[in-house]
Amino acid sequence: DAKTTQPPSMDCAEGRAANLPCNHSTISGNEYVYWYRQIHSQGPQYIIHGLKNNETNEMASLIITEDRKSSTLILPHATLRDTAVYYCIISYGGSQGNLIFGKGTKLSVKP
Amino acid sequence: NAGVTQTPKFRILKIGQSMTLQCTQDMNHNYMYWYRQDPGMGLKLIYYSVGAGITDKGEVPNGYNVSRSTTEDFPLRLELAAPSQTSVYFCASSSGGAGGPRDTQYFGPGTRLTVL
Repeated sequence: DAKTTQPPSMDCAEGRAANLPCNHSTISGNEYVYWYRQIHSQGPQYIIHGLKNNETNEMASLIITEDRKSSTLILPHATLRDTAVYYCIISYGGSQGNLIFGKGTKLSVKP
Repeated sequence: NAGVTQTPKFRILKIGQSMTLQCTQDMNHNYMYWYRQDPGMGLKLIYYSVGAGITDKGEVPNGYNVSRSTTEDFPLRLELAAPSQTSVYFCASSSGGAGGPRDTQYFGPGTRLTVL
């Protein structure tokens, strides 16, 4: 399973776009990039996922580089409620489908 | 739709005691998981199930047992509680588990367990 590298923390001003990077240089061709977040003390929440193409949903956008070795999660207009730990995860690809959670990036949105 | 529910929310155990953490999902998902999260760390998989009657070990199974008699329920059993099992426990479910889009997992609110 591919490993990911994320900065331990980031700050973002309220109302501005938050761009969270993730490196996954060992990703294989059939592995997806998933993003989850965990707001303090709550269970993780699914945000978005992608394989090759950029993806957008009501929560965020996911930009994956052409070589698939890195990606960026974009929260277009961050609010205080987006303060959370964000996890970039490469899907295991095994039969059990478990997600390997690292330490993630602690995003602090400031007023 | 309640999603994934867990009980209890909090529990304090003495060393050597046993307990069962309950997890129920109402989304008719085949796959269910138990994770633990230690302070300041990411989640680690304890056990998972791909359907009723089928369970398997994850990364950190020692000291735990599971069963899956129905699609909805996936209880986690601690037989002899130890301080090292102090953690927050999350249950999750998904419609499939073989990588790709089916890895969208839905998590419960967690159970905070302290072993003294």
